[in-house]
Amino acid sequence: GQQVMQIPQYQHVQEGEDFTTYCNSSTTLSNIQWYKQRPGGHPVFLIQLVKSGEVKKQKRLTFQFGEAKKNSSLHITATQTTDVGTYFCAGLNDYKLSFGAGTTVTVRA
Amino acid sequence: DGGITQSPKYLFRKEGQNVTLSCEQNLNHDAMYWYRQDPGQGLRLIYYSQIVNDFQKGDIAEGYSVSREKKESFPLTVTSAQKNPTAFYLCASSIERRTAYNEQFFGPGTRLTVL
Repeated sequence: GQQVMQIPQYQHVQEGEDFTTYCNSSTTLSNIQWYKQRPGGHPVFLIQLVKSGEVKKQKRLTFQFGEAKKNSSLHITATQTTDVGTYFCAGLNDYKLSFGAGTTVTVRA
Repeated sequence: DGGITQSPKYLFRKEGQNVTLSCEQNLNHDAMYWYRQDPGQGLRLIYYSQIVNDFQKGDIAEGYSVSREKKESFPLTVTSAQKNPTAFYLCASSIERRTAYNEQFFGPGTRLTVL
């Protein structure tokens, strides 16, 4: 079945630095969604990418969808303490959403 | 105040007992989902329902059962057949499953511990 792999599993970032988390699928995806889960909370939808090569920005967050629609990335610039949490990608294929294991981000002030 | 509610937030059960987790939504969404989350893993789909009185198994349905008698409600029963039931259970809904744009809205979750 479809598998969505996410790396790294953990990301320790100095406040103010940039980092990127990557998502790879074993199959071509209809779209990819990103969610953020704060510690002790539930996943909250961030964005959805549908088109091949699509790039979307939300303030300091940049999301990309690969040309082959099998990979995606989330880049955060100038990390802040509010960025703490786990970021999940989720790939849609055949109307079924498959989640990656997530990247858990901690920030050193 | 629209959203998804799950109750209870924490649940303890003795081994061998069935337990039912509640999920209610007032978003008028057609589709509802149950996920299980374990430490270091992503969300794994247990069951989903696209419409009232219809539901399908997800990737890890064994030991679980659901019902969808009302659009607003999608309760999950964790049966004694589930070998490792201790986990964080998340309910979600989306407007309609068979659309391209189908972000999912999650409830606050129920943390189940089997003693």
